[in-house]
Amino acid sequence: DAKTTQPTSMDCAEGRAANLPCNHSTISGNEYVYWYRQIHSQGPQYIIHGLKNNETNEMASLIITEDRKSSTLILPHATLRDTAVYYCIVRVATHTDKLIFGTGTRLQVFP
Amino acid sequence: SAVISQKPSRDICQRGTSLTIQCQVDSQVTMMFWYRQQPGQSLTLIATANQGSEATYESGFVIDKFPISRPNLTFSTLTVSNMSPEDSSIYLCSEGTADHGYTFGSGTRLTVV
Repeated sequence: DAKTTQPTSMDCAEGRAANLPCNHSTISGNEYVYWYRQIHSQGPQYIIHGLKNNETNEMASLIITEDRKSSTLILPHATLRDTAVYYCIVRVATHTDKLIFGTGTRLQVFP
Repeated sequence: SAVISQKPSRDICQRGTSLTIQCQVDSQVTMMFWYRQQPGQSLTLIATANQGSEATYESGFVIDKFPISRPNLTFSTLTVSNMSPEDSSIYLCSEGTADHGYTFGSGTRLTVV
């Protein structure tokens, strides 16, 4: 199973871009990179996912390196409500489609 | 994406008893998943539940302790049996596939006393 490595915690000033890195050096060719976040006491919330190309949606941008061994989630203008634990997940390539969570990055956005 | 209603949202239970958690999805889904999140920890997958077949459990989780039902494509239950204080956690259900993404319920906060 491909594993991910994320920093334990990060800080970001409100209004600035938050750049959350993730290493997944053992990723397989058909495995997606997913980002979820969990705001305290809530269920995880989907942010974005990608396979090879960079992706952007209304919440964030996902930059995947050409060798696919790492990626960066970008929150372009962080707000206090973006304070959460952010999980970078590589989908396990089995028929069960199960999603395995790592330890995540605790992002603290400060005023 | 699908919407999942999970209940109860929280409960306080006596040790030795059992609690059944329900998840209702607003559309038919193939895969459903159950997770446990112990205090201050990440989510740990308990099992995968497909309709019409036995659930597949992850290492460290057994059917006698966490029986799962999946009677149709919109519903699943997880029972936490013979509870002890160590079972105090948040339990979450989820549905989805790698191609289309995953949706989570709001979680059940269980406290065993």
